[in-house]
Amino acid sequence: QVQLVQSGAELKKPGASVRVSCKASGYTFTSYGINWVRQAPRQGLEWMGWISAYNGDTNYAQHFQDRVTMTTDTSTSTAYMELRSLRSDDTAVYYCARGGAYSSSSFLGYWGQGTLVTVSS
Amino acid sequence: EVVLTQSPGTLSLSPGERATLSCRASQSVSSSFLAWYQQKPGQAPRLLIYGASNRAAGIPDRFSGSGSGTDFTLTISRLEPEDFAVYYCQQYGRSPGTFGQGTKVEIK
Repeated sequence: QVQLVQSGAELKKPGASVRVSCKASGYTFTSYGINWVRQAPRQGLEWMGWISAYNGDTNYAQHFQDRVTMTTDTSTSTAYMELRSLRSDDTAVYYCARGGAYSSSSFLGYWGQGTLVTVSS
Repeated sequence: EVVLTQSPGTLSLSPGERATLSCRASQSVSSSFLAWYQQKPGQAPRLLIYGASNRAAGIPDRFSGSGSGTDFTLTISRLEPEDFAVYYCQQYGRSPGTFGQGTKVEIK
């Protein structure tokens, strides 16, 4: 069965960086892409961006363009999301979700369990 | 970007009743690239509907989606106790993909 397993909770200080991992199993990793979506406490869902596990193409939401980098390691079927220059309003649960291989225009069929990132001094 | 507005914000219903959730887009959604997700407290969202009207694998047939252009609807024909949750619509036809703010379906 398809599974996306994310890394554990992180506590970071303002200005630091965080890297969240998302290990995929149960399907051919390079046949899909990975999206990252975040959810601030008691808030809705915010799409951050997409990376193709097929060819490494990315599409980032403009709001995160300057601070986010998404990568994949096809040898371990793992996707990574790094967010830099963290602020208190980056405190959220970060989800990875499986999407399309060739475009960010895809529904999100499978989701990771979420990673809580807390930014606090 | 495409703004999705969901209504109502909260829907108070009893088990067995019909739920009708609305999602309105600020621009036409390409090729009905509209999905619905269910989220329960402490859990990740779960895909219910994609392409406006296609049920995802394993989703009961009491869930149905309809609509096109700028107006979309999720209908739950008879609410089961496990259906009380927050529901989000998402458009994925234009980048950035955007979500509605959610509709909470609560027990009356």
